[in-house]
Amino acid sequence: GENVEQHPSTLSVQEGDSAVIKCTYSDSASNYFPWYKQELGKRPQLIIDIRSNVGEKKDQRIAVTLNKTAKHFSLHITETQPEDSAVYFCAANGGYRGSTLGRLYFGRGTQLTVWP
Amino acid sequence: SAVISQKPSRDICQRGTSLTIQCQVDSQVTMMFWYRQQPGQSLTLIATANQGSEATYESGFVIDKFPISRPNLTFSTLTVSNMSPEDSSIYLCSVLLAGGFEQYFGPGTRLTVT
Repeated sequence: GENVEQHPSTLSVQEGDSAVIKCTYSDSASNYFPWYKQELGKRPQLIIDIRSNVGEKKDQRIAVTLNKTAKHFSLHITETQPEDSAVYFCAANGGYRGSTLGRLYFGRGTQLTVWP
Repeated sequence: SAVISQKPSRDICQRGTSLTIQCQVDSQVTMMFWYRQQPGQSLTLIATANQGSEATYESGFVIDKFPISRPNLTFSTLTVSNMSPEDSSIYLCSVLLAGGFEQYFGPGTRLTVT
């Protein structure tokens, strides 16, 4: 099955700085890569995703890049704010086939802390 | 997106008992999944809930311990059977919307086993 590695496990930045979280995956059949934000005591929230036919996607202060050749994708948050503090999870779908239809493989998570 | 509800939101249960968690979504979805999340950990997939047939379990999870039902396209249950303190965790359902790749999570059920 797919294996997703996520780094770093913790990240502290000053308000206004940028934050980058990186993930690698192993299965070249993966074609969908979502990012989830989980605040303390809350459910994971889908914040941005990218499909394998696109190299980059932006949504306001958040962007995701994908390098299929190297099998890695990254989350970029610019102009960070204290409310960006949360755990961020990357995931890959391991391809869209058979009994694994829709299954997501998650990274271990990154605790982002934004200091005011 | 979709509106997903789970019941109960939390429970404290005695060792050896069972708890059934319900997941309801307000629109038809392709797939429903059940996850477990230990404190400070990532999301671990327990099983895929298949409509009208047996669930597909991940390695390390068995039907006798985590029986799952999915009688229709918008509802599923997960039972945690013969509970022990090691089953204390947050249990979340997620849904894959029809026609898309996006998965959304329910609010979770916080289970404490004493």
